[in-house]
Amino acid sequence: ETGVTQSPTHLIKTRGQQVTLRCSSQSGHNTVSWYQQALGQGPQFIFQYYREEENGRGNFPPRFSGLQFPNYSSELNVNALELDDSALYLCASSKPGGPYMNTEAFFGQGTRLTVV
Amino acid sequence: AQSVTQLGSHVSVSEGALVLLRCNYSSSVPPYLFWYVQYPNQGLQLLLKYTSAATLVKGINGFEAEFKKSETSFHLTKPSAHMSDAAEYFCAVTLENTGNQFYFGTGTSLTVIP
Repeated sequence: ETGVTQSPTHLIKTRGQQVTLRCSSQSGHNTVSWYQQALGQGPQFIFQYYREEENGRGNFPPRFSGLQFPNYSSELNVNALELDDSALYLCASSKPGGPYMNTEAFFGQGTRLTVV
Repeated sequence: AQSVTQLGSHVSVSEGALVLLRCNYSSSVPPYLFWYVQYPNQGLQLLLKYTSAATLVKGINGFEAEFKKSETSFHLTKPSAHMSDAAEYFCAVTLENTGNQFYFGTGTSLTVIP
């Protein structure tokens, strides 16, 4: 059973640019959540995808958007990057059971985004 | 709305001593509570979870936590600290039927002194 993999591991972007982060969920997992972890802080929930549709969103502006593909992999897109977007972005996948069931979430190692 | 507060951003213990990491929650409905551990440059690993079954929950690596509704607490303990326990620990809350949409605390960094 493969784990959750994220790419790239590190990324440096300039303020105002756009970025796409990728996540391959664990085999058989159909729910993917994204979190932003600023330095010295706990992860903050961005949004969740279930069967290719957004299912819940945290307090993040619309320039944070996502996609989930038929194979349940996912992308996080951030437009008009700001310096405060610098953070570790974590992806987590959950076993089938539907978006309303609390099954264990498995986290990837994250993508470290630096905005300069 | 639900949230968790972790008391103490840094905790230091001697090797072999008791580990106690504190977490208090706020929720208008019965919560599900979790403890995750994060090693440097790693993602989060689940230590244990409370989902309304037994109030004393045992997890991996000798950790356990007790859900106390009267105190709105879910403190993490380990009887004897090991050097390999040095890491960042996060308490998290979610609600039933929200599909693992977690709300995390700010974390506690555990240092183990040899």
